Formats: sequence, structure tokens, C-alpha cells
Amino acid sequence: GQSLEQPSEVTAVEGAIVQINCTYQTSGFYGLSWYQQHDGGAPTFLSYNALDGLEETGRFSSFLSRSDSYGYLLLQELQMKDSASYFCAVRDTGGFKTIFGAGTRLFVKA
Amino acid sequence: DTAVSQTPKYLVTQMGNDKSIKCEQNLGHDTMYWYKQDSKKFLKIMFSYNNKELIINETVPNRFSPKSPDKAHLNLHINSLELGDSAVYFCASSQDLTQETQYFGPGTRLLVL
Repeated sequence: GQSLEQPSEVTAVEGAIVQINCTYQTSGFYGLSWYQQHDGGAPTFLSYNALDGLEETGRFSSFLSRSDSYGYLLLQELQMKDSASYFCAVRDTGGFKTIFGAGTRLFVKA
Repeated sequence: DTAVSQTPKYLVTQMGNDKSIKCEQNLGHDTMYWYKQDSKKFLKIMFSYNNKELIINETVPNRFSPKSPDKAHLNLHINSLELGDSAVYFCASSQDLTQETQYFGPGTRLLVL
């Protein structure tokens, strides 16, 4: 079966850097995605890693190690508006479905 | 312009009723999805359609019936609503089955009393 593990909550201060980890177990693997969801809002796509290494998009970076079945989302120069839930997700190669982790709630404090 | 839209945004109804949620995307995407997000924010896929054809039916009770009249629309009809159906239902779309980037609608908050 497929499973993803990520921390339930992370707290950091404004201006800091925070890393949200995700480990996965899948029968097949295409890549690891990250989505952001604010309270009351819809999930929004942030990044996708199919190959090992770091992908950078502005203040957000995402990393993947396929050999370790591990990835992380790195948020730099944290802002209050980054307070949200962050979900990692993997694609089920057999059924074309996306499996989401349980989400990490990020609290950014002043 | 809204990329993925859903109606209604809120739905409060009694147990046993039948209700529908509509979804439309104007992105020209081939693939559309329905997800259920429970009170613990766990997001689980229910159905996916590709060019109006059902691809995934993720062990959802048959009280839930999706319908895709064309590839821009994917509606969800729910019969005999139960308390446990209370959740937020998200519609999403992607360019095709292989594309990882999914665009989500604003969600429909369903409360069954």
C-alpha cells in the first residue's frame, strides 16, 4: 500500500527558515508534490520533484531523495501569511491517483 | 476568471436527503477529480475522470454518483445523505492523467444534520 508521513505541526518565527519533512512508502513512484492550504481555502500546488535534488521557487524549495524515500519542503524568510497546512503527495503509478499525506500545520509567530 | 469553480459553496441538509454539487473548469484540462476532506483535514480521492470516462472509483459508497456531461464538467450526486458525509468536497483538474499539478476548486462545505 501507499503511506506518507509528515509532522502534524511545526511552529517557527517570522523571518526564520523551516523544513517540513515527508517520508513515503509506495509500490511505485513517479514523484513527490507539495500543496499549501490556508484555513477555509483550497489546496494550491507548490512544487513537484520527480528527480533527486533541490528545486527552488522563490522562497520555497523542495528536495527529493528517491533512494531514501524522503523529501522536504523548505520555506525561507517566513512570513505570517505562510501560516497554513502543507501536504506532501505521491502518485500511485498503477491507478493514476494522488495520495496525500495528513498535512503539516505551520504556525508562524511574530 | 475562475479556473475551477464549484457550486454551492455551502450546503446544509437533513439526513436522508439527496443533493448535488457541480464543478466546472475553464482550463481546457482533460482530467477532473473529486476529493473529500474530513474534519482532520485528511484529503482523500473519491473519483477521477479523463475525457468524460471514469478512471478511479476509490471504494466510495454507491450513494455517491459522479457524472461528467463533458470534459469541462464533473458533478457529484449524493443519495440518502448520512451524518458521516459531512465534510468539504473539492473538485480539481489536471491537464491530463500524467500531469501532477492539480488545480482545486474552492470547495463545498457539506453539513448533514
